[in-house]
Amino acid sequence: DQQVKQNSPSLSVQEGRISILNCDYTNSMFDYFLWYKKYPAEGPTFLISISSIKDKNEDGRFTVFLNKSAKHLSLHIVPSQPGDSAVYFCAASASSGYSTLTFGKGTMLLVSP
Amino acid sequence: DTGVSQDPRHKITKRGQNVTFRCDPISEHNRLYWYRQTLGQGPEFLTYFQNEAQLEKSRLLSDRFSAERPKGSFSTLEIQRTEQGDSAMYLCASSLAVWGAGESEQYFGPGTRLTVT
Repeated sequence: DQQVKQNSPSLSVQEGRISILNCDYTNSMFDYFLWYKKYPAEGPTFLISISSIKDKNEDGRFTVFLNKSAKHLSLHIVPSQPGDSAVYFCAASASSGYSTLTFGKGTMLLVSP
Repeated sequence: DTGVSQDPRHKITKRGQNVTFRCDPISEHNRLYWYRQTLGQGPEFLTYFQNEAQLEKSRLLSDRFSAERPKGSFSTLEIQRTEQGDSAMYLCASSLAVWGAGESEQYFGPGTRLTVT
């Protein structure tokens, strides 16, 4: 069973517009959430994270929103740039002494000029 | 230090052969993770080390898989008697955990792509 779900395999956005990537989770024990970006032939790169004690975290053009009651988080990228084109993975971990990450399947974002 | 490195980047092997991959983490990081990623999936946890101690293994890690981290620095992942189903990208990640201060995010290497023919 998939504990972290990214239901949109792909998303296309025009440069300058907002990109919204969504993620749902089922495990109530998850209390820390991360977004990773992955370019072809490279490993995932950490982008932004949020703890369950918060509902929003912002870093430059990237903002993550967490809705615990709905078990849903989203990543907003504003404004989107062509260099943001990559696969974005949502990941979650539970406080158990270490941070084994459970990943979603990823969403491929394409930002066109 | 330029980040997490993995060697080799690509490995093609015949079914039944043994393969070994190496991961060099960021030097000051005390935690090291191995993940496997197959086509269309996100990375899946395999195993985890705190310094030289292997503290957790996923059910995905069959008896044919073994991982080591001697001296708490680099790590190796060996797959014995490879099967076609082992074809995947094997990712290594490292992080720094400080008692009472939590853990940094995990930094991933570029991965080793294994193809079993």
